[in-house]
Amino acid sequence: DSGVTQTPKHLITATGQRVTLRCSPRSGDLSVYWYQQSLDQGLQFLIQYYNGEERAKGNILERFSAQQFPDLHSELNLSSLELGDSALYFCASSVEGTVNYHYEQYFGPGTRLTVT
Amino acid sequence: AQRVTQPEKLLSVFKGAPVELKCNYSYSGSPELFWYVQYSRQRLQLLLRHISRESIKGFTADLNKGETSFHLKKPFAQEEDSAMYYCALSLKETSGSRLTFGEGTQLTVNP
Repeated sequence: DSGVTQTPKHLITATGQRVTLRCSPRSGDLSVYWYQQSLDQGLQFLIQYYNGEERAKGNILERFSAQQFPDLHSELNLSSLELGDSALYFCASSVEGTVNYHYEQYFGPGTRLTVT
Repeated sequence: AQRVTQPEKLLSVFKGAPVELKCNYSYSGSPELFWYVQYSRQRLQLLLRHISRESIKGFTADLNKGETSFHLKKPFAQEEDSAMYYCALSLKETSGSRLTFGEGTQLTVNP
């Protein structure tokens, strides 16, 4: 167990709806990363937050947004959902104290989103 | 643009045989490469990183900058090595970092 928790484990919703995925990082980790894993595009980086601030952005759709709260947990909001958004969404956390060293990212178990 | 390629989606070997999972990358900067592994019903976890040059669970990986490769090798595969393996490249932004993953290779070690 890496210590990263994600809720819910599974989510089934309809097209056009909005959902919120939640992630709690390991104790002491300041950085949170979100990844999307789909069958056709593999594991793709979405966004990173460090101590409440956005640090890096990947191929995240405008319909998606994220934030990191003062207690360091993070939420990924997905709106106007489409069938193609069905995927496994992973959260990871790391210490990330300096730009000169890549700290290991610890992954959560993922949230499986199914859009029908 | 940065890219990681794992040419084999599936790889099957027998127990005790050598195994090599291929990884090639393209990146204009100085790369930092990793292998992550996902065992059945478990979460993704770091297996090894090139800068540490260590052997984990009998696996090694050498960065070959000339061939832009970071292949994962083990001389004698075990059944418990069966898992999904991802090669990943770290990009250091001016602030923050991200991992670019390959498509993954599903390794099956048969008895």
